Amino acid sequence: NAGVMQNPRHLVRRRGQEARLRCSPMKGHSHVYWYRQLPEEGLKFMVYLQKENIIDESGMPKERFSAEFPKEGPSILRIQQVVRGDSAAYFCASFVDRDTNYGYTFGSGTRLTVV
Amino acid sequence: AQSVSQHNHHVILSEAASLELGCNYSYGGTVNLFWYVQYPGQHLQLLLKYFSGDPLVKGIKGFEAEFIKSKFSFNLRKPSVQWSDTAEYFCAVRPRGFQKLVFGTGTRLLVSP
Repeated sequence: NAGVMQNPRHLVRRRGQEARLRCSPMKGHSHVYWYRQLPEEGLKFMVYLQKENIIDESGMPKERFSAEFPKEGPSILRIQQVVRGDSAAYFCASFVDRDTNYGYTFGSGTRLTVV
Repeated sequence: AQSVSQHNHHVILSEAASLELGCNYSYGGTVNLFWYVQYPGQHLQLLLKYFSGDPLVKGIKGFEAEFIKSKFSFNLRKPSVQWSDTAEYFCAVRPRGFQKLVFGTGTRLLVSP
C-alpha cells in the first residue's frame, strides 16, 4: 500500500517560470491538503481539496497559486511566474474521510528552488 | 485565530538525557493534538495523537505526551534520547469540527553521541 506520493522531489525553476507539483494520495483517500514549509518556519496550511472540489483555500496566496484535484489523477499545485520567495518545501497530506481519527499521512514533499 | 507555540527552537542533548519539548496552543474549544517528527530530508511522520480519554498518550519510539487542558499544553517527553532521535519535532492542533491542522514552528533536536 503505497503512501502519499509527491513528485518531483526537487524542482528548480527560474524566476518567471511555472512550477507544477503533483501529489497522489494514498489509495482510497479522497481528501488532500497542501502545506508549505518555509526555511526556519513551521508548516503553513495552503489549501484543502476533495475530488473535483476546493473546500478551503484560505491559505493560498491570492495570485499566481492554484490547486486542483481532478476526478482522475493526482492533485496539482501550480505556481505561475515563480519568484524567489516561493522557494520552500511543499508537502501534501491525505486522509480518508472528514471524521477520521487517523490523522494525516504526509508525502515526502517537493523542494522548490527558484533561481 | 488559532496558534501553536513551541518555545524551544533548538535543543541540544547528550544521549541518554531526558527530553521535554513544550507545546502550547490558543483555542478555547475542544481540540485534537498531534506531534510529528521530521528526520532530515524526509516527510513528517506521526509520533502520537490525542483525541480524548487518558491525557497521557504513548506514541512510537518511546515518546509520550501529556495533555493538560487547564494549561492548553501538550508537551512531548522521552526519558532517554538516542542519537537517532535527531530530527525536527512539530506540534499540531486541529480544533474539533475544523479540518486543517495548525502547526507550531518546530523544535530542532540534536542528540550528540
